Amino acid sequence: TQLLEQSPQFLSIQEGENLTVYCNSSSVFSSLQWYRQEPGEGPVLLVTVVTGGEVKKLKRLTFQFGDARKDSSLHITAAQPGDTGLYLCAGLTNFGNEKLTFGTGTRLTIIP
Amino acid sequence: EPEVTQTPSHQVTQMGQEVILRCVPISNHLYFYWYRQILGQKVEFLVSFYNNEISEKSEIFDDQFSVERPDGSNFTLKIRSTKLEDSAMYFCASRMDRTIYNEQFFGPGTRLTVL
Repeated sequence: TQLLEQSPQFLSIQEGENLTVYCNSSSVFSSLQWYRQEPGEGPVLLVTVVTGGEVKKLKRLTFQFGDARKDSSLHITAAQPGDTGLYLCAGLTNFGNEKLTFGTGTRLTIIP
Repeated sequence: EPEVTQTPSHQVTQMGQEVILRCVPISNHLYFYWYRQILGQKVEFLVSFYNNEISEKSEIFDDQFSVERPDGSNFTLKIRSTKLEDSAMYFCASRMDRTIYNEQFFGPGTRLTVL
């Protein structure tokens, strides 16, 4: 069973601060997605990373895939209250595999 | 922008009753999925569906569950005899093709409550 552990589980910071959340596994993933989920809604795809060491930026969000493709991080610069939400990483262990394995989630709260 | 839609948004049922959850995937997508999320827990894979047949299913997807694509647009999940532990959010997802990015797009979910 592949496990994706996210840390921290909860994070509450002031508006304008920077933060990083982590997604770690002992398994190698062929691709990894980051989603954001609002209460009572479905996960919304933010980004997909595929290559070890890959870095992708989405405005103030920077996503990195580890060199060994076992871990990933999400860095937010100058956090805004609109960044509040549940951030999920989800991975595929091989190209032919159908199912996404989801992480445990990081619940982020940005305090105005 | 195209999106996955699901109906109903909420479903309350009595234990032992059958429920059908409906999804309309993005129109040009070929791969379809059901996931569920029990309150406070991780999103869990249930089943994947391609070319009118199940391609993969999890241990959760036992004989009480079935999926169907009855026409060109709908994708349904049926639970034959609901149990209390089936209470969860059920998410449908779809994917265009087997690209390396394999991006799955999720619907808003159906909240199923079994009493």
